[in-house]
Amino acid sequence: GAVVSQHPSWVICKSGTSVKIECRSLDFQATTMFWYRQFPKQSLMLMATSNEGSKATYEQGVEKDKFLINHASLTLSTLTVTSAHPEDSSFYICSARAASGTYNEQFFGPGTRLTVL
Amino acid sequence: LAKTTQPISMDSYEGQEVNITCSHNNIATNDYITWYQQFPSQGPRFIIQGYKTKVTNEVASLFIPADRKSSTLSLPRVSLSDTAVYYCLVGRSGNQFYFGTGTSLTVIP
Repeated sequence: GAVVSQHPSWVICKSGTSVKIECRSLDFQATTMFWYRQFPKQSLMLMATSNEGSKATYEQGVEKDKFLINHASLTLSTLTVTSAHPEDSSFYICSARAASGTYNEQFFGPGTRLTVL
Repeated sequence: LAKTTQPISMDSYEGQEVNITCSHNNIATNDYITWYQQFPSQGPRFIIQGYKTKVTNEVASLFIPADRKSSTLSLPRVSLSDTAVYYCLVGRSGNQFYFGTGTSLTVIP
């Protein structure tokens, strides 16, 4: 199946700093990528939909100025958590949509564990 | 957006067949049904997807009745490594996924 990578796999940062997370589709082109956040023992929460070459669409309650998303190419989307605070500590997961035949599937990255001190 | 309802948790012994049912009463005509598996601290992994009737692949089967208001993921002969959270998702092809609570499956030796 299609492979999606994320970098870094984990990051620890100080409160007030910004952190960038990369999401790459390794063997397919992804016109759409999605960003999720998952807190311990909870389900995935969709944050935003990222379309190549256009502005991301954010879900209600997600601050677009805090979570900056850039999808500059068909294989790369980035999520930047600006001025991170301890409450932003979470597991961030991206997915990429690939078109294959009749069905469209989403392939998920391995996730990035963010810890803000 | 079709809301899904699944059991919060299930236990099964090794070697047994496990069936996880998901209710999606307001599924739309163009919606597909997709199941994902997630291990702790990992991204979800695609298991199976279907639109109607029965779909089978090398790891699971998906049963969808004619009214499509529910679906059942069937895992044959589970092993300890199948302990994970299983998510049922309903949505139009290519659109966003909104995850529900999922079903936490524990396989007992």
